[in-house]
Amino acid sequence: GESVGLHLPTLSVQEGDNSIINCAYSNSASDYFIWYKQESGKGPQFIIDIRSNMDKRQGQRVTVLLNKTVKHLSLQIAATQPGDSAVYFCAEIRPLTGGGNKLTFGTGTQLKVEL
Amino acid sequence: DAMVIQNPRYQVTQFGKPVTLSCSQTLNHNVMYWYQQKSSQAPKLLFHYYDKDFNNEADTPDNFQSRRPNTSFCFLDIRSPGLGDAAMYLCATSRDASGGTDTQYFGPGTRLTVL
Repeated sequence: GESVGLHLPTLSVQEGDNSIINCAYSNSASDYFIWYKQESGKGPQFIIDIRSNMDKRQGQRVTVLLNKTVKHLSLQIAATQPGDSAVYFCAEIRPLTGGGNKLTFGTGTQLKVEL
Repeated sequence: DAMVIQNPRYQVTQFGKPVTLSCSQTLNHNVMYWYQQKSSQAPKLLFHYYDKDFNNEADTPDNFQSRRPNTSFCFLDIRSPGLGDAAMYLCATSRDASGGTDTQYFGPGTRLTVL
């Protein structure tokens, strides 16, 4: 069946270092992905998205890379800050018949930033 | 600022006592979603509304119901909460103007405790 999974449940990095969070997916037909950040006690917050016609997309301090050959995407955070500490979810987004869309979330990676 | 609002942020109920969670949005999005998120897990879609059309996920228990009286408001009713229903409940919205792949925007969530 379809699945979106993450390689590591917890990632610890030093403040100022770059962080890389990985995500694997199984459905080769998947064509749109989103990364969400969820801080403790809050709802998921949109970070960045990427469609399958792209290999890379950059935002402010974040970059998402998509490798369709191996069905893998990653989120890179430059100069990680304490405020980046959160759980990061990758999610596949698919349109639903009749309107709306469905997010299939990965299991999440807890990013811990050490001072 | 346009946003998704959930009330209350924390809700305590007794085993078997009906409870209603509220979500409102100022984004004027036509799709609203309810998710259940248990500790250390990814959000799980319960159902969604496309305008007034209700769409239930196949594995959502009958104990969970929803109402959407207008574009701005959506309610989650848990008819007889069990201990296993203790979770964070997230509301999200999307515009659904781009072929069904519009970003979902999440509210802050309601943390439900069942005693």
